[in-house]
Amino acid sequence: GAGVSQSPSNKVTEKGKDVELRCDPISGHTALYWYRQSLGQGLEFLIYFQGNSAPDKSGLPSDRFSAERTGGSVSTLTIQRTQQEDSAVYLCASSELATGELFFGEGSRLTVL
Amino acid sequence: EDQVTQSPEALRLQEGESSSLNCSYTVSGLRGLFWYRQDPGKGPEFLFTLYSAGEEKEKERLKATLTKKESFLHITAPKPEDSATYLCAVQGYNTDKLIFGTGTRLQVFP
Repeated sequence: GAGVSQSPSNKVTEKGKDVELRCDPISGHTALYWYRQSLGQGLEFLIYFQGNSAPDKSGLPSDRFSAERTGGSVSTLTIQRTQQEDSAVYLCASSELATGELFFGEGSRLTVL
Repeated sequence: EDQVTQSPEALRLQEGESSSLNCSYTVSGLRGLFWYRQDPGKGPEFLFTLYSAGEEKEKERLKATLTKKESFLHITAPKPEDSATYLCAVQGYNTDKLIFGTGTRLQVFP
């Protein structure tokens, strides 16, 4: 497809379980971002990739959160031992040159029971 | 610390009633200020980039302006399809991340 693709679109899990969220960026986009959006809140920065490396991980809330990117393309955000406060929409975006014109996916809605 | 504050939180307009949304920001060296539109259940969609004070950008009924401390998104004669949340974000010189405000939820009713 032409846009940023995220999966799953919805995920319901039990507290304490691990989850993986996937992002397929636009082909050729070297920059990839993860943001989190809680109900009624703005977008909270999590991590930024340039190619396969992550020069800015400053937004990851705790060591339960990790992310990787392989082949300069697909990225996976992993949340271990999920907590109820992790419930949110996780948005992925890609950009050709990290210039601020980000193309967002439709997000993965995570609900932790 | 870079920060973005948007006002009002919510705005209800009648079709054709023009208004403005405000974005106040503090950043250590502005690399760019961005406006996005977000529809319910969707990811944000890019609208404009502004780089320096005095710059203006237009698209259909929307016009974005920038000063050294704030940006305005002017909506002229809005239509119901303009209803959405409008997000403002800034990017500083020393970073590649965008800092977003909490948005203005705009409703335009016939």
